[in-house]
Amino acid sequence: KAGVTQTPRYLIKTRGQQVTLSCSPISGHRSVSWYQQTPGQGLQFLFEYFSETQRNKGNFPGRFSGRQFSNSRSEMNVSTLELGDSALYLCASSASGFNEQFFGPGTRLTVL
Amino acid sequence: AQSVTQPDIHITVSEGASLELRCNYSYGATPYLFWYVQSPGQGLQLLLKYFSGDTLVQGIKGFEAEFKRSQSSFNLRKPSVHWSDAAEYFCAVGARGSGNTGKLIFGQGTTLQVKP
Repeated sequence: KAGVTQTPRYLIKTRGQQVTLSCSPISGHRSVSWYQQTPGQGLQFLFEYFSETQRNKGNFPGRFSGRQFSNSRSEMNVSTLELGDSALYLCASSASGFNEQFFGPGTRLTVL
Repeated sequence: AQSVTQPDIHITVSEGASLELRCNYSYGATPYLFWYVQSPGQGLQLLLKYFSGDTLVQGIKGFEAEFKRSQSSFNLRKPSVHWSDAAEYFCAVGARGSGNTGKLIFGQGTTLQVKP
């Protein structure tokens, strides 16, 4: 089976812009979770989608949003970018949300 | 609230030596437990997992971990380290229950350096 894929791998944006990141889970997996990884805060959970519904959410501002499509692919959007949003954004898929999660390679976002 | 502590930020071992990375968690019940490894600029690769049952679990690349409920620990071990094991290692906890779906809480990570 193909693994989790994320596009794009690298992004450079300026403050105030918005960005959309994409994640394709492992075939058959219906749960997609998103994480932000920074040197200072480590790995932090953003949200989880299952069957096109957000089931769980972390403590991030409303500028961070996501969605999931009927084929389980997911996107996350960050609006009004801030310098502090620079991070590696990781997507993970699992069969149900209670199993082990398999991670993609991440999208490195740099905000200038 | 759940939390995960990896007491060692950085560990250096000689190639061929044994390795133990420590992980302690805080959670009211028995959680799901995981160890992941991350190479620079890459995503996380699952090494092993514990859900229930046998407290000693085997993973990939010769790693094993032992769940000790009394100590709230899930330490990762490898009997003989290879230079390719140099990476960052993360312990993670997943909570049971419908309000905790898809969420893992990670420790701060331990960077492993391997000396030739």
